[in-house]
Amino acid sequence: DIQMTQSPSSLSASVGDRVTVTCRTSHTITNFLNWYQQKPGKAPKLLIYAVSNLQSGVPSRFSGSGSGTDFTLTITNLQPEDFATYYCQQSYSIPSTFGQGTKVEI
Amino acid sequence: EVLLVESGGVVVQPGGSLTLSCAASGFTFDDYTMHWVRQVPGKGLEWVSLINWDGSSTDYAHSVRGRFTISRDSSQSSLFLQMSSLRSADTAFYYCVKGMFSSSQSAFHHWGRGTLVTVSS
Repeated sequence: DIQMTQSPSSLSASVGDRVTVTCRTSHTITNFLNWYQQKPGKAPKLLIYAVSNLQSGVPSRFSGSGSGTDFTLTITNLQPEDFATYYCQQSYSIPSTFGQGTKVEI
Repeated sequence: EVLLVESGGVVVQPGGSLTLSCAASGFTFDDYTMHWVRQVPGKGLEWVSLINWDGSSTDYAHSVRGRFTISRDSSQSSLFLQMSSLRSADTAFYYCVKGMFSSSQSAFHHWGRGTLVTVSS
């Protein structure tokens, strides 16, 4: 199974900040790396697919980058509605696996 | 609008069985791989199972293989998860998820609200 190492597990930030979340995979996954946002009591929501493709309706302050085994989610100009937990996921091989999550707090 | 509505989550005793259902609408059900993903309350996400567009191919997480069976009914646009030999570790919210494309490698595009399964005596 492909292991996902996501960091940090939590971070404190302020409105307007730039936030970076990293995800490292145990094997090369080409571009099969996706990012999700989850708010308390809600289902996860797809933010970015295939490393850097913004899902329809997702604000452009979200971006993704990376290749091979190292990937990054960046949020610029953090907004109040962005305080949530973020997960990376590899869909390269079964079982699909998720990172442990990064909680972005005020 | 894509809608995925799970049902069937209840409190069940260890060793018991349960079937979850997911009613899908707003898209051509037969065109997409479907998944179940679970989440222990307050914890992370765990992929459970997938079924391809026509039901000819399925796969499972190691933790549920041999105990859970995924299936789909195109006539009802429904997805199912039969769960048996349930353990306390199976306690979680179970999400019905639609893949972005027909490929099993596509991102998890749409999620239901989830249904809570509690395994407890």
